[in-house]
Amino acid sequence: DQQVKQNSPSLSVQEGRISILNCDYTNSMFDYFLWYKKYPAEGPTFLISISSIKDKNEDGRFTVFLNKSAKHLSLHIVPSQPGDSAVYFCAASRTGNQFYFGTGTSLTVIP
Amino acid sequence: DADVTQTPRNRITKTGKRIMLECSQTKGHDRMYWYRQDPGLGLRLIYYSFDVKDINKGEISDGYSVSRQAQAKFSLSLESAIPNQTALYFCATSDFDRGGIDTQYFGPGTRLTVL
Repeated sequence: DQQVKQNSPSLSVQEGRISILNCDYTNSMFDYFLWYKKYPAEGPTFLISISSIKDKNEDGRFTVFLNKSAKHLSLHIVPSQPGDSAVYFCAASRTGNQFYFGTGTSLTVIP
Repeated sequence: DADVTQTPRNRITKTGKRIMLECSQTKGHDRMYWYRQDPGLGLRLIYYSFDVKDINKGEISDGYSVSRQAQAKFSLSLESAIPNQTALYFCATSDFDRGGIDTQYFGPGTRLTVL
């Protein structure tokens, strides 16, 4: 059973606008969450993380929001740039244990 | 030089053949992982190792085995390859610290095709 879900397989956004990628999880014991970005023919690369003691973490154009009661996290990219076009995976774990990944959302930023 | 390397990068093989995928890392991390990526299914964990003497099954370990030869090396074997093992395989490493930070670093992937 999928413990981490990304229900939108794809998303298209105009350059300069906000991209919002969503992720839901089912295990209330998860306390550490990450977003990864993947370009074709490359491995995923770490983008941003958040622990359950926070509800927001910001790094430049990227912000991750965590809503523990809804078991939902989102990644905001502002402003979106064509180089942001990639597949984005969210991942969750209980600290120190294995990670569970979502199915990915393919983001296309249109120039 | 890449911190996490995988060999081979591409492999085509036939049903029933034994295949080994190798992963090496220069990051000095204790933890290593093998994932496979399939369209629509994301990244699924096959096996993981938290140190040289520790091996654990992941979500989809059936049909696979692993060997942790050293801190820097973690290999994945398909004893008798079958077509539904056609996928993109990723090795990853991480260095969990007691502050709760455990970021995984991925290799470039191995594309395996089983005919």
